[in-house]
Amino acid sequence: EDKVVQSPLSLVVHEGDTVTLNCSYEVTNFRSLLWYKQEKKAPTFLFMLTSSGIEKKSGRLSSILDKKELFSILNITATQTGDSAVYLCAVEGISNFGNEKLTFGTGTRLTIIP
Amino acid sequence: ETGVTQTPRHLVMGMTNKKSLKCEQHLGHNAMYWYKQSAKKPLELMFVYSLEERVENNSVPSRFSPECPNSSHLFLHLHTLQPEDSALYLCASSQDRLAGVPYEQYFGPGTRLTVT
Repeated sequence: EDKVVQSPLSLVVHEGDTVTLNCSYEVTNFRSLLWYKQEKKAPTFLFMLTSSGIEKKSGRLSSILDKKELFSILNITATQTGDSAVYLCAVEGISNFGNEKLTFGTGTRLTIIP
Repeated sequence: ETGVTQTPRHLVMGMTNKKSLKCEQHLGHNAMYWYKQSAKKPLELMFVYSLEERVENNSVPSRFSPECPNSSHLFLHLHTLQPEDSALYLCASSQDRLAGVPYEQYFGPGTRLTVT
C-alpha cells in the first residue's frame, strides 16, 4: 500500500528561524512528489519534484527530492508569520490498473511566533 | 476500517449517466471536503461541510451535487457530466474547521473518474 509520512507533525519556531520539513514515501511506480501549503482554504501548490538532486526554489522556500532514499525536504528560511500553515506532501504514482494515484501525507503544522 | 475511505476507486461513466461517489471517515472529525485533482493542475476545493452544513461552494457546476447526511459520510452525486470533468476526486476530513484554523486534513485514496 502506498504511504506518505511527514515529520514533524507540528513545529513551532520564532520569526526569522529556518525550518526543514520532511516527507518520506513508499509508492508504486513513482511519478512525482508535490508540496502544498494549506491555510484557510484549499491547499496551494508550491513545488512539483520529479528528478533527484535538483533543488527547486521559490523565494525563501526550496525543496529537493532524493529518489534513492525516497524522501523530500522543504526548507523555509527567514520564516515570517505568514508562513504559518499546514504543509502537505503528496506523491503521484501509477496503480496496478495503470491509473494515476495521488497519496497525501497528513501534513506538518508550522506555527511562526512573532 | 480506519481513516478515510472512498468508493468506488475507479468509475467510468457516460455523459448521460447518474452516479454517486461515497466517502466515509472513521476519525471522529466534524468537517469533510471534496477536492478535484485534474492532470497537471493544483488541487481544487469543491465543497466543504462542517458539522453537516455546507459552508463553502467554490462555484462548482450544478452537475455536481454534494450530500452530507451525517459527520461520517459524504456523497458527491454526478449527473450529465462532461469529458472535462474526468479527474481524481479526493475526499478529506478534519477536526473543527468552524474556527477558521487550518487543521490537518486526512485524505482518502480518491476516485478516478473518467467521463466518456
